[in-house]
Amino acid sequence: EPEVTQTPSHQVTQMGQEVILRCVPISNHLYFYWYRQILGQKVEFLVSFYNNEISEKSEIFDDQFSVERPDGSNFTLKIRSTKLEDSAMYFCASRAQTGVGTEAFFGQGTRLTVV
Amino acid sequence: EDKVVQSPLSLVVHEGDTVTLNCSYEVTNFRSLLWYKQEKKAPTFLFMLTSSGIEKKSGRLSSILDKKELFSILNITATQTGDSAIYLCAGGYQKVTFGTGTKLQVIP
Repeated sequence: EPEVTQTPSHQVTQMGQEVILRCVPISNHLYFYWYRQILGQKVEFLVSFYNNEISEKSEIFDDQFSVERPDGSNFTLKIRSTKLEDSAMYFCASRAQTGVGTEAFFGQGTRLTVV
Repeated sequence: EDKVVQSPLSLVVHEGDTVTLNCSYEVTNFRSLLWYKQEKKAPTFLFMLTSSGIEKKSGRLSSILDKKELFSILNITATQTGDSAIYLCAGGYQKVTFGTGTKLQVIP
């Protein structure tokens, strides 16, 4: 069964460092998303991406964050200068098409710990 | 601001019991209501609901949407210990807003 894969599964980084979280969406999917979940809190939308551009983003997704689809298969989330409060589980999701009748499939997540 | 509220926050039941999980939503640009099960890591998809009053079923799980009352329920009959998880409700379109989840614990 096709699945969304994320790497690494766990990353520890020092505050102020840049991190890149990687995702390989399901191959025929067109819509890509990043979510985060701070430990013990709810899943929060960060950004949606379609046709090589951001289609929607939340207030969390500030200038420190960027997304890219560099090679047609990977979908990356970059955090430029990490802060302690960026520590969370980051989930990538992809969807075949928009509109009714399609659901988003989630990757297993990358746990980011900023120290 | 979009809002999805789930209740109860937490529930402990015995195996074999039936549970009903609630989700109310206020979401702009609403297209569908999604239910996910989250065990250790990533949410796994359960149901997508787009039309009012049409029940979706998958084994012991079922769900229904009321678009007039902005409400959905998830029912689990004959609960098993493997149903223990956090159940997430989410609504929206491109931007999907999640509720905080209902933590279900099924004890033998």
